[in-house]
Amino acid sequence: DTAVSQTPKYLVTQMGNDKSIKCEQNLGHDTMYWYKQDSKKFLKIMFSYNNKELIINETVPNRFSPKSPDKAHLNLHINSLELGDSAVYFCASSQGTSVNTQYFGPGTRLTVL
Amino acid sequence: LAKTTQPISMDSYEGQEVNITCSHNNIATNDYITWYQQFPSQGPRFIIQGYKTKVTNEVASLFIPADRKSSTLSLPRVSLSDTAVYYCLVGDKGSARQLTFGSGTQLTVLP
Repeated sequence: DTAVSQTPKYLVTQMGNDKSIKCEQNLGHDTMYWYKQDSKKFLKIMFSYNNKELIINETVPNRFSPKSPDKAHLNLHINSLELGDSAVYFCASSQGTSVNTQYFGPGTRLTVL
Repeated sequence: LAKTTQPISMDSYEGQEVNITCSHNNIATNDYITWYQQFPSQGPRFIIQGYKTKVTNEVASLFIPADRKSSTLSLPRVSLSDTAVYYCLVGDKGSARQLTFGSGTQLTVLP
């Protein structure tokens, strides 16, 4: 069974569209994250939820809105997509916020045309 | 945030030991040093974490000098499958806010 799964794996869309990426973890963890990895492999945290509560909200445009319906799911909705949003988005989970126990999903490659 | 500096890339041959050094001059007292491995088209995977001296697990060893301003990830007898990007992170063990991975070190293992 996949521990952290994301859908879709690839997403190609036009500028200005709204899209969502879904993430689910079956590890029983209480904390989930969204990361963005750019073309230079720079990987940066965007959001973190602990027990469905937002605990980290880094400097991210408000076009990005995370939603956590329950502890096992953290979805990322992006409005009015821009060219600069093209990247690979990774979901991760951990028990607590300890940096050593994060499990990452396979990533979603978003391409904005 | 303690900033980390790693080599952009390294090449090695199968069977050799590989040492990747990370500089973190501004490391704080509560900070731990963590290394992740990322294969192409996959998410990062935790390898090892340490606070001081030496830590060893089934995958790697982590050497941390007394001043903790640097650390070295040691991979024994690498194989082609160890080709990946290796990230060094420094941060408070209890705070995910410290998690900026940087650009990592691309290790290429050659036959």
